[in-house]
Amino acid sequence: DGGITQSPKYLFRKEGQNVTLSCEQNLNHDAMYWYRQDPGQGLRLIYYSQIVNDFQKGDIAEGYSVSREKKESFPLTVTSAQKNPTAFYLCASSIGRETPNQPQHFGDGTRLSIL
Amino acid sequence: GQNIDQPTEMTATEGAIVQINCTYQTSGFNGLFWYQQHAGEAPTFLSYNVLDGLEEKGRFSSFLSRSKGYSYLLLKELQMKDSASYLCAVRDWTGANNLFFGTGTRLTVIP
Repeated sequence: DGGITQSPKYLFRKEGQNVTLSCEQNLNHDAMYWYRQDPGQGLRLIYYSQIVNDFQKGDIAEGYSVSREKKESFPLTVTSAQKNPTAFYLCASSIGRETPNQPQHFGDGTRLSIL
Repeated sequence: GQNIDQPTEMTATEGAIVQINCTYQTSGFNGLFWYQQHAGEAPTFLSYNVLDGLEEKGRFSSFLSRSKGYSYLLLKELQMKDSASYLCAVRDWTGANNLFFGTGTRLTVIP
């Protein structure tokens, strides 16, 4: 079955530590996205990538970094510069920007907490 | 910029009908999506509207009025499993065609 896999489901970060969240999709989608979800707030876009080897900052990119070396993979690194990283992180993918009527499909999320 | 508003919480009775409203202001409207999200889980796609009118999908329907910047999601014959958050998201072509989400409406279905 095609889908999006995020790992781990739960992650704990120590002060000053970088952590990387994994996102893999086998839907053959060109576009991939990372969102952050906090209680009482809508999903906010961190980074997005429309094609391999290219990515753009979203609304809240500070303290985060990404890479898109393969079509299937879009890992997110939460750096020590992100002072409030505790949140639910969602990865999504879609066919591509040329098909705006197609929805984004989401992974099951990673819940990141600070130790 | 983008501004998307939806009620924070709603309660409805099993078997009833509920309407969840969403109003939006965007620079370059290019479609509106509704998603369902159970607590701690992934959002799942429910419906898409880009032209004015009603789209029906089984127990769920979604309506759009572009001139009013308004949409609603209608859920009929409510079931307990419909208790979830419902997210309204607008695609904006001036924002790289990305989705911009409202805060979501938490629906509780009671017996």
